[in-house]
Amino acid sequence: QKEVEQNSGPLSVPEGAIASLNCTYSDRGSQSFFWYRQYSGKSPELIMFIYSNGDKEDGRFTAQLNKASQYVSLLIRDSQPSDSATYLCAVTDGGYNKLIFGAGTRLAVHP
Amino acid sequence: NAGVMQNPRHLVRRRGQEARLRCSPMKGHSHVYWYRQLPEEGLKFMVYLQKENIIDESGMPKERFSAEFPKEGPSILRIQQVVRGDSAAYFCASSPPGQGTYFGPGTRLTVL
Repeated sequence: QKEVEQNSGPLSVPEGAIASLNCTYSDRGSQSFFWYRQYSGKSPELIMFIYSNGDKEDGRFTAQLNKASQYVSLLIRDSQPSDSATYLCAVTDGGYNKLIFGAGTRLAVHP
Repeated sequence: NAGVMQNPRHLVRRRGQEARLRCSPMKGHSHVYWYRQLPEEGLKFMVYLQKENIIDESGMPKERFSAEFPKEGPSILRIQQVVRGDSAAYFCASSPPGQGTYFGPGTRLTVL
């Protein structure tokens, strides 16, 4: 069974620090990788997606992918209290965008 | 929410009743994905539909759950004879090519 693993946290970081969120996946054939942010009681919000090995940056967010290690991470620079949420890692399963999600990591950014 | 619409946003049903959840995908899209998020659990894929076709229903429970996406109108996720374990948030999603998957606001089902 294809799986996506995340540390459930909570990950607590001070305001202004870098938050590092990690994810591993079991299926070597996975092609696309996504990070979502979900506030309590809300729907998942797409932050970033990455297809190729290496880094992809968008504002304060950087996604890193290492297919050989089956590892994807999300770095949040200059963390803000508003970044406090659950971060979901997802990978595609199959030829269309069917997603397998990890259980999520709770991030708490304290002032 | 990138244009994915769901209703109702909250739905309360008593055990044994039917629940109907509706989803309209992003404008111009003819496919939807349904996901379920049980309390304190991750999102799980349920079904992928295109207009008038079920493409992948591998995540649907074998009984009481069905989904459709007619030629006209929204996609419907139907749960018959609901039980307390069906209480969850149900999300619908659209996936523009090359852009990732965007979720609607969800329907939060509570079974009393």
